[in-house]
Amino acid sequence: EAGVAQSPRYKIIEKRQSVAFWCNPISGHATLYWYQQILGQGPKLLIQFQNNGVVDDSQLPKDRFSAERLKGVDSTLKIQPAKLEDSAVYLCASSLDGSTKSNTEAFFGQGTRLTVV
Amino acid sequence: TQLLEQSPQFLSIQEGENLTVYCNSSSVFSSLQWYRQEPGEGPVLLVTVVTGGEVKKLKRLTFQFGDARKDSSLHITAAQPGDTGLYLCAGLSQNFNKFYFGSGTKLNVKP
Repeated sequence: EAGVAQSPRYKIIEKRQSVAFWCNPISGHATLYWYQQILGQGPKLLIQFQNNGVVDDSQLPKDRFSAERLKGVDSTLKIQPAKLEDSAVYLCASSLDGSTKSNTEAFFGQGTRLTVV
Repeated sequence: TQLLEQSPQFLSIQEGENLTVYCNSSSVFSSLQWYRQEPGEGPVLLVTVVTGGEVKKLKRLTFQFGDARKDSSLHITAAQPGDTGLYLCAGLSQNFNKFYFGSGTKLNVKP
């Protein structure tokens, strides 16, 4: 079974530039998560989708971050304009169905390491 | 504020020693998961505990879910250098639709 695919693996941009990350979840997984992980810390949830609807985006800095999951399959996360403090690893994860106890094992992609200079 | 607090944050031990990592919260979770993350990779699931008081063993790793389903522990017996990594706990909210990660414990096992 193919895992969660993310691209690019690495990205270096200057502050105030824009950047986009792409995620293709495991086939059939209804729930998709985007996390931001600062070096050495636990992942922080940015946004959670159930199919193509948003379940939770309370920690998404909406003045500069946006995400979409058209057609309920793959997703893009965009930052515009980027700040130095956005330097982090952006992880995408998916689960079969985040609405039930037994189906909430999250499978993670390798992440995109963003460096803002 | 972190919903799930892990302790210790960092742990550096010699090969063969035992260790315990704790994951605590004031909130009740319907289930709790432990992940291990290596540098440059995404977290990989180790175990899911669902029932209060549940104990699960995975070779040298023992996981326990607190009776009140607010906390959990991970015990490693005879640690090996291959156990080195970032250990993360994650709790599923009681209405099943939110998933929270702890702050992480960075473990280094020296040969």
